[in-house]
Order: sequence, then structure tokens, then C-alpha cells
Amino acid sequence: DAKTTQPTSMDCAEGRAANLPCNHSTISGNEYVYWYRQIHSQGPQYIIHGLKNNETNEMASLIITEDRKSSTLILPHATLRDTAVYYCIVRMEYGNKLVFGAGTILRVKS
Amino acid sequence: GAVVSQHPSRVICKSGTSVKIECRSLDFQATTMFWYRQFPKQSLMLMATSNEGSKATYEQGVEKDKFLINHASLTLSTLTVTSAHPEDSSFYICSARQQGHGSAFFGQGTRLTVV
Repeated sequence: DAKTTQPTSMDCAEGRAANLPCNHSTISGNEYVYWYRQIHSQGPQYIIHGLKNNETNEMASLIITEDRKSSTLILPHATLRDTAVYYCIVRMEYGNKLVFGAGTILRVKS
Repeated sequence: GAVVSQHPSRVICKSGTSVKIECRSLDFQATTMFWYRQFPKQSLMLMATSNEGSKATYEQGVEKDKFLINHASLTLSTLTVTSAHPEDSSFYICSARQQGHGSAFFGQGTRLTVV
């Protein structure tokens, strides 16, 4: 599975959009981009995934660049409860493993 | 999303004893389950992958005789930490994936403390 690079940490004001970037320059054509988050002392929570088209669900939007070498997870109106570690993972849709990197610590501040 | 339940959420045991952690998929059949370990301020580390009815596949460096994994049914996998030592104290997390679905869903984790 392709490697991903994320910033170590980010701050966001409550009520504003949180934009979390992820670089995956070695992504292959059949690999998807998955996003999970982990709130302190809990198991990871699935957020969204996509292949090449932008995706939106009730939690977030996923914007994937045309060359698929990077993507951005958007939380449109961040709340304090969105403070968590966000993981960007690249793998085949039915790939066997989810391998976690270091992720981005998002701190939402009032 | 699908619900994965892990039990217990916290356990304290004495050195040398064994501890069993259960992972259940509540509303779907999990053909594949994964076990992770997470130390403080670190990311999740995959320990092993188990497929229902077959032996688990362990990641490099994970002792299969120490971390026994059983995936006897499509809704239950267990991780047994045998002869636990203080260095086994960690946050253990399971994940389950439904056949034909790409996303995996996670349990709430088990905090193991070995004293």
C-alpha cells in the first residue's frame, strides 16, 4: 500500500472548516484513500473514503486532486468534539490491512 | 456504520496470568478481523489478521504463542494474552470487516494493565 504524509498537528477554531491535507504521491490506480479518526482512548472511527471523485457524507467531505497524489479531508463546521487524531490511509478497497501512520492531531479551540 | 463491540473495556491482571479479550461484530458477519496494539502517544500497530475458520496471520515481530487469536465464528474473535508481563500493558483494539465491503470498523478498545 502507498505511503501517506500528514502534518503532525493542526489547530482550528470552533465553527470554522477544518481542512486536513494528506500526500500520497505513490498511490496506484486501484488504491483508495481512507480517512479514520481516533478520539482519545477510543477505537478509530471510519469517516470517509474515495477513489478519484470527491465524496461527501454526513461527517465530512473528501477532495482528491486530479492526479490523485494528494487529498484533503474537510470538516465543514468543526466542533470541540472533533478534536482527535486523523489518519489518512491508502489501500486497495478490499485490501486486507489498514496500516496506520502517525496521523494529524487536530485541536479544535473555542 | 456497523457496530463492533469489544469486551472488557478495561482489565487489570497479575504478571504470569492470561487475559482474554473478545471482539464481536453485532450487526454484520465479519469474515476478517484485525487486532492492533497501541502504546501511549503512538499510532496503532497491527498485530495480526484473522479470517474466520483459519489460522491468524501475525505481523513480523509479534509472538503467536503469546498472543493467541481465535476467530471461531463470523461474529466473534478473541485475543488471549498469555503469561502477561508488565510490558504487555497497552491499549488493544480490534477491527472487523464485512465480506464485500472495503471499510473496517473498530471496537472501543481494551486497556490492559499488567501488575
